[in-house]
Amino acid sequence: DGGITQSPKYLFRKEGQNVTLSCEQNLNHDAMYWYRQDPGQGLRLIYYSQIVNDFQKGDIAEGYSVSREKKESFPLTVTSAQKNPTAFYLCASKQNLQNTEAFFGQGTRLTVV
Amino acid sequence: QKEVEQNSGPLSVPEGAIASLNCTYSDRVSQSFFWYRQYSGKSPELIMSIYSNGDKEDGRFTAQLNKASQYVSLLIRDSQPSDSATYLCAVLVAEDSGYALNFGKGTSLLVTP
Repeated sequence: DGGITQSPKYLFRKEGQNVTLSCEQNLNHDAMYWYRQDPGQGLRLIYYSQIVNDFQKGDIAEGYSVSREKKESFPLTVTSAQKNPTAFYLCASKQNLQNTEAFFGQGTRLTVV
Repeated sequence: QKEVEQNSGPLSVPEGAIASLNCTYSDRVSQSFFWYRQYSGKSPELIMSIYSNGDKEDGRFTAQLNKASQYVSLLIRDSQPSDSATYLCAVLVAEDSGYALNFGKGTSLLVTP
C-alpha cells in the first residue's frame, strides 16, 4: 500500500541521548516535512526538504537535525541539545507543487525518562 | 514566522447545527489553504483544500477563501458527534527554497447529541 510510515510509534529516551525518528514514503513525493506537536497545541515546523540532499530549517529547528539522502526517507534526529523533547512528532509528504495536499504518517510519541 | 491564527475554542454546537471555523493568515503571498481534522492522539487527516477565492463544497463541508481579507473558513453542515475533533488550518507559503506548510494551533469542536 502507498503511504507514509513513521517508526517507532512510541519511543522512550534517557536525558542526554540522541534519538532518530524514521519517516519513509512510497508516494514518490519530493517534499517532506517534520512537525512537533505538544498537548493542546498545533503543529510547529521543525525542518522541511524539497529535494534530495537539500533541507531547510523551520520555526523550531534548534536541537534537531535531519538528512535527505534518498527521496523516500527523511529521518529526524532529536539531539541532547533539545531541552524539551517530549512531544508527538509528525512527518508529512507532498508533491512539490503549489496546489497539492500533504499527507501525514501516524506519528511518533517521544518521551524522555 | 508566517502566522496562522485560529480560535482555540472549544466551539460547542448541537447535533444537526452548522459549525463555523475560522482562520486568518499573515503572509499575503500564501496561495494554498487546507483544513485538517485531528482526533486525539491521531495524526491529521485532510478534510478540504482551497486555492482560489470563493466557496468550495464537498458533502457536508464548505471551505471559503477571501485572499483580500486573508481569511479562510470551514463550515460543517448537519454536524454529527463524530465531527468532534480539533480542526487545523494550514497555509502553504512559497519560500526561496520551496514550500513551507504552516499550521494554526487548531480549533477544538464539540458536537453535542
